[in-house]
Amino acid sequence: AQTVTQSQPEMSVQEAETVTLSCTYDTSESDYYLFWYKQPPSRQMILVIRQEAYKQQNATENRFSVNFQKAAKSFSLKISDSQLGDAAMYFCASSYAGKSTFGDGTTLTVKP
Amino acid sequence: DAGVIQSPRHEVTEMGQEVTLRCKPISGHDYLFWYRQTMMRGLELLIYFNNNVPIDDSGMPEDRFSAKMPNASFSTLKIQPSEPRDSAVYFCASSPNPYEQYFGPGTRLTVT
Repeated sequence: AQTVTQSQPEMSVQEAETVTLSCTYDTSESDYYLFWYKQPPSRQMILVIRQEAYKQQNATENRFSVNFQKAAKSFSLKISDSQLGDAAMYFCASSYAGKSTFGDGTTLTVKP
Repeated sequence: DAGVIQSPRHEVTEMGQEVTLRCKPISGHDYLFWYRQTMMRGLELLIYFNNNVPIDDSGMPEDRFSAKMPNASFSTLKIQPSEPRDSAVYFCASSPNPYEQYFGPGTRLTVT
């Protein structure tokens, strides 16, 4: 079984600043993947970034990067140079063999 | 490229009626997933298919729910009879692998 915990229901950041969203997970599997998804008010879920558990190097996608601490089962998302369009709910997810478990989400507000 | 297509986008029905949600996955994706999102329970995996075959339906709430994938380009999720507690946003997602998810825009179902 997989569990995913996002301890920050809400976060806010000033435009152009950096913000980090936290996520911890638990799984008994070794071959798993971790993801961050973004859900803007339009409600469409958008894949932001992925991390393979077997890779030590942290994934990066433009302004988005992760801090993957496998031993601590921590997977945080850093958003640099925040933009108004980054405002959304962000979900952390753990995935193994077709079954994905999502956290409860963190609502990010970006202040102009 | 067309993403995952879902129809209808909104559905309002009365308790006891049959509801059918439709999904067209991204061409070439071998995996298809159905999710339900509610405030109380978050995002839950209902069922997923691989090459049109149901692999895991352990998330389907009860016998009132059924899902089919008659071919690689079409899937349905049916609720019969519908109940007010089925009100939720239903997402279809597809993927080339069993890990990452590419979501459709969702169907907001309201059962009165």
